[in-house]
Amino acid sequence: GNSVTQMEGPVTLSEEAFLTINCTYTATGYPSLFWYVQYPGEGLQLLLKATKADDKGSNKGFEATYRKETTSFHLEKGSVQVSDSAVYFCALSDPTGNEKLTFGTGTRLTIIP
Amino acid sequence: ETGVTQTPRHLVMGMTNKKSLKCEQHLGHNAMYWYKQSAKKPLELMFVYNFKEQTENNSVPSRFSPECPNSSHLFLHLHTLQPEDSALYLCASSQNDRFDGYTFGSGTRLTVV
Repeated sequence: GNSVTQMEGPVTLSEEAFLTINCTYTATGYPSLFWYVQYPGEGLQLLLKATKADDKGSNKGFEATYRKETTSFHLEKGSVQVSDSAVYFCALSDPTGNEKLTFGTGTRLTIIP
Repeated sequence: ETGVTQTPRHLVMGMTNKKSLKCEQHLGHNAMYWYKQSAKKPLELMFVYNFKEQTENNSVPSRFSPECPNSSHLFLHLHTLQPEDSALYLCASSQNDRFDGYTFGSGTRLTVV
């Protein structure tokens, strides 16, 4: 079946540090890949997505590239801010077309000033 | 405002009470979902509705009873809950013929006392 593996958290960084949150997946076929962010007390919000191999999704300074050869979709940001503190979820859509998302377990990120 | 509205935002109920959670989406989507988010656990998919029909029930106890009267509204009726049912309950919607991920509501924080 489909699965998503994210790096264990929590992750704590200083402001302006470089961020990488690893995500790898297992799926048969060609899923779309997503990153969602959950700020404290809120639901999940779509951060970025990529629908095919070598696509790069980007939003708010975050980027992730769909790597089919390594089955990965790592989230990166060059210079994090305190306001980026949140929980980040990697997800994939079912490639058989039933349009269901499979989520990773989430990575809590804390940015200290 | 994401286009998916959940009410109430917070709910405290006794184990013998009956209450309902409400979700409304203003996006014209045709699928709706209930998720449970507990501390230190992965997101748990509870129910899926497509065009008002339930298409998935992930072995959810019968004390949780979903209702989907139309494609825009989704309810979760609660009765005789247990303290371990305390969690954040998230509603989401999607458009399955041009799938672009889920849109989540802000959630209902449920505490069972």
